[in-house]
Amino acid sequence: SYELTQPPSVSVSPGQTATITCSGDKLGDKYVCWYQQKPGQSPVLVIYQDIKRPSGIPERFSGSNSGNTATLTISGTQAMDEADYYCQAWDSSTVVFGGGTKLSVL
Amino acid sequence: QVQLQESGPGLVKPSETLSLTCTVSGGSIRSYYWSWIRQPPGKGLECVGFIYYSGRTNYNPSLKSRVTISIDTSKNQISLNLSSLTAADTAVYYCARAPGYSSFDLWGQGILVTVSS
Repeated sequence: SYELTQPPSVSVSPGQTATITCSGDKLGDKYVCWYQQKPGQSPVLVIYQDIKRPSGIPERFSGSNSGNTATLTISGTQAMDEADYYCQAWDSSTVVFGGGTKLSVL
Repeated sequence: QVQLQESGPGLVKPSETLSLTCTVSGGSIRSYYWSWIRQPPGKGLECVGFIYYSGRTNYNPSLKSRVTISIDTSKNQISLNLSSLTAADTAVYYCARAPGYSSFDLWGQGILVTVSS
């Protein structure tokens, strides 16, 4: 079965750039999306189709996808961005999630 | 504004069958994929399966033998049945919408289901 691999945790200082990766075999051939989940809340879509931002998502969130790695970048990270982030893709009509990355803003 | 609301029991016994319903309000159920996604306490997201409004389904291979997802377009509801429950099925179960083989752009608030005797 297809797997997506994320680092368990990433730390960033306020105002700096946070980078969260998601790795999978030939992932660049698939569309990747990213979700933000804060404690006790449902996931929220922050990036879809690799690079697109849904309405209402701040411009500091951006995405890329090439080769075997997709990346979520948060520029000028704010304290409110502290959350778990999950990547997701489709493989053979199956939904696959990454294991999630806890972003700490220290 | 479209909203999703999960409903069902919060506590079920081992070996029993879980039945959950997702009610879609404020919009149509048509032309979307509807998925059940679960999250064990402190763990990540796992897709249980999904159904297209036409009734076509696809299930997580690891759960396929125990899962049934159905849709009632007249009631704007999606249902999940998960049989032969064990403690490993304890999780928050979310209903989510996808406008195609893409991302889930709308999620319900989730319902915590605990499997315990």
